[in-house]
Order: sequence, then C-alpha cells, then structure tokens
Amino acid sequence: GEDVEQSLFLSVREGDSSVINCTYTDSSSTYLYWYKQEPGAGLQLLTYIFSNMDMKQDQRLTVLLNKKDKHLSLRIADTQTGDSAIYFCAESAKMEYGNKLVFGAGTILRVKS
Amino acid sequence: DSGVTQTPKHLITATGQRVTLRCSPRSGDLSVYWYQQSLDQGLQFLIQYYNGEERAKGNILERFSAQQFPDLHSELNLSSLELGDSALYFCASSVASGRETKNIQYFGAGTRLSVL
Repeated sequence: GEDVEQSLFLSVREGDSSVINCTYTDSSSTYLYWYKQEPGAGLQLLTYIFSNMDMKQDQRLTVLLNKKDKHLSLRIADTQTGDSAIYFCAESAKMEYGNKLVFGAGTILRVKS
Repeated sequence: DSGVTQTPKHLITATGQRVTLRCSPRSGDLSVYWYQQSLDQGLQFLIQYYNGEERAKGNILERFSAQQFPDLHSELNLSSLELGDSALYFCASSVASGRETKNIQYFGAGTRLSVL
C-alpha cells in the first residue's frame, strides 16, 4: 500500500536554507507534491514534481527527487520567519476509478530570528 | 486564496448529532475530494466525486456520507457524531477526473468540527 514518511521537526535560523525530507512507497506515483499549512489555515499547494524529473526549481523552492530511493526533498533558500509552518509531502495514488493524495505526517518548520 | 470555499469555518455540536459541511470547488473544477485531519490519524482521504458521481472511497465511516450537486458544490454529512469525529475537514477540488496522470488538488480552508 501507499505510505509517506517525513521527519517531524526542523529548526533553522532566519536566512539559512531548510531541507525537508520525505520518503514514499508507491513506485507508480507519477506526481509528488509539497503543501504548506500555517496555523489555523488550509493546505496551500507549494509545488509539485513529475516522477520523470530529478529537480524542479521555483523561486526559493527547490525540489529534488531520487526515484530509485523513493526520496523527495524540499529545499527552501533564505528561510524567513514567514516560512514557519507545517510542510506536507504527498503522493498521488490511483484508485479503480479515481485518485487520492496520500500525505505524510507533516514536518514542523520553526524559523528562529 | 485557493478558490475553494468551505462553510462553516467552525462547528460545535454534541455527541449523537448530525452536521452538514459544505464545499464549493474552484470555477471549472469537476472533482471534489474530502479529507479528514486529526492529531492521531493525520490527513486521511475520505471520498471523491467527479461531476456528480462517486469516483473513489477511502476510510470513510458508514455514518458519513457525501454528495455532489449539479452545480458541482458538495456536502459532507456526518451523523451519530462521536467525540472521536472532532477534526478538521478539508475539501479539495481538481479539474481532473482522477485517472489522469496529472491531478493537482487545491484545498479549502477547512471546517473545524468539535464534538462535545
């Protein structure tokens, strides 16, 4: 079955880079996603990567995918206090007639000023 | 703003009661998904509808049901509520039916349900 695992907590200083790691199990996953959840808010889609790509860059965000090891990472450059949130890794999982997202438990990112 | 609207934001009710959560998808999106977020279970997929038809079902309790109306808004009905049903319920929408390779889901702000 599908399973996504993430480290639970990361603390960095403002201006440093943050790297959040994720492993997934479903080798048929074609898209992998990163979502951000701020306190009391919904899930904001940050970025996604197609499984035939190794890397995707979007402004301060860099996603790296190692398909062989089923490892995904999100790097946030020049981390700011506003980046403090919970970050979720998710894989898409096909079902018989539909699709669902399978989420990790989330990584709490704390940015110290 | 994701474009997905959920109401109400908060709901407080008692055990044994029934509630209805409402979701309006982004303009043009035909698929609606419901997810439950709780401290012990994390984010769990409940159910997907596409253009009014149920497409996929997750670990949704028999006490819970959903539907999608012709105007594409969706409602999640929770009945015989228990303390353990207290959670954040998210709706997401997508332009895809779910079988496509690319299926980007956009989430609403959620409804926080407290069962006392």
